[in-house]
Amino acid sequence: TQLLEQSPQFLSIQEGENLTVYCNSSSVFSSLQWYRQEPGEGPVLLVTVVTGGEVKKLKRLTFQFGDARKDSSLHITAAQPGDTGLYLCAGAQAGTYKYIFGTGTRLKVLA
Amino acid sequence: DAGITQSPRHKVTETGTPVTLRCHQTENHRYMYWYRQDPGHGLRLIHYSYGVKDTDKGEVSDGYSVSRSKTEDFLLTLESATSSQTSVYFCAISRTATNEKLFFGSGTQLSVL
Repeated sequence: TQLLEQSPQFLSIQEGENLTVYCNSSSVFSSLQWYRQEPGEGPVLLVTVVTGGEVKKLKRLTFQFGDARKDSSLHITAAQPGDTGLYLCAGAQAGTYKYIFGTGTRLKVLA
Repeated sequence: DAGITQSPRHKVTETGTPVTLRCHQTENHRYMYWYRQDPGHGLRLIHYSYGVKDTDKGEVSDGYSVSRSKTEDFLLTLESATSSQTSVYFCAISRTATNEKLFFGSGTQLSVL
């Protein structure tokens, strides 16, 4: 059973546009992470959010953890072609060692 | 970059053949994971290890077994490969169990014909 649903699955936008990717679940997570994956490589961590309602910024990327710790969003401002890639959210359920990944959002930013 | 090496990087095998994938780390991290990645499914956890000889099942463990006889090596075995096991397999490591960064290997592309 997939516990983390991401939307949209695919996104193609022009350089300079803003976008938001969502990660939703019916389960509570002790933390939630966002990764970006390039073709032929493994995912690389972008950020970890731990506290309900937490907002973290990484340059043009803004990450938010839902108050109930069941969902998260990733907002990119003024997207650039270098932002192209597969974005994955991942959650660790409290009391387990298991990191469960979302279905992924494939982003393409056109120059 | 974290020292994680997956081998082989590519493998083509026939249905019914046993296959073993190896993950080797030089970081001395306690936790190791095997995931498979398929279009539309993201990354799905197969098995994980929380110490030498300590392993447990993930979401999609049927048809797979693992072994960890020393900290640095985590082996994934397909006892009798099937076409449904054609996938990209990723190994990951983490220092602690929760709220911790996962470091991933570069993956193994496995094709079962």
